[in-house]
Amino acid sequence: DQQVKQNSPSLSVQEGRISILNCDYTNSMFDYFLWYKKYPAEGPTFLISISSIKDKNEDGRFTVFLNKSAKHLSLHIVPSQPGDSAVYFCAAPDLISSGSARQLTFGSGTQLTVLP
Amino acid sequence: DTGVSQDPRHKITKRGQNVTFRCDPISEHNRLYWYRQTLGQGPEFLTYFQNEAQLEKSRLLSDRFSAERPKGSFSTLEIQRTEQGDSAMYLCASSSGFFDRGYAPRRADTQYFGPGTRLTVL
Repeated sequence: DQQVKQNSPSLSVQEGRISILNCDYTNSMFDYFLWYKKYPAEGPTFLISISSIKDKNEDGRFTVFLNKSAKHLSLHIVPSQPGDSAVYFCAAPDLISSGSARQLTFGSGTQLTVLP
Repeated sequence: DTGVSQDPRHKITKRGQNVTFRCDPISEHNRLYWYRQTLGQGPEFLTYFQNEAQLEKSRLLSDRFSAERPKGSFSTLEIQRTEQGDSAMYLCASSSGFFDRGYAPRRADTQYFGPGTRLTVL
């Protein structure tokens, strides 16, 4: 069972408009969420995160919203730029059995294309 | 460059051969993770090291997979008797081990990824 789901495999947006990427999760024990961006032939790059005690976190053009009751989070990019075109992954840390480290459980990703 | 590095970036091998990948984490990071990513999916956790100790390996895909981190610095991931189903991107990540449970998300134990090794098994 996928604990983190990104139901939209792709999204196209016009340059300058808002991009909204969505993510749903099933595990109510998740207390922290991250978004990563991935360009082809590169590893995922950390973008922004949010703790479950918050409902919003903002960093420049990127804002993540968390709705715990709906088990839903979204990443907003405003304004969208062509360089934002990439695959975006939502992830949540899950406790590894030993110690306090966390393994990341990822969604399947959303390919964002920003059209000039 | 002080990021996570991986070598080689690409590996093409024939079925049945053994392959080994190397990961060099960010120098001050004591936690190291291996993930695998297949087409159309997000990265999937494989194993984890705290310094030189491998604290989680139950997610390794089969006994053909093994990983080491002998001196608590770089790590290697070996796949023996490769199969075509092993073709994937193998990603390494590292983190500092500092985790804040909630008041400052930026200080949580964020994992930083390397560029990955693309394995193709013919």
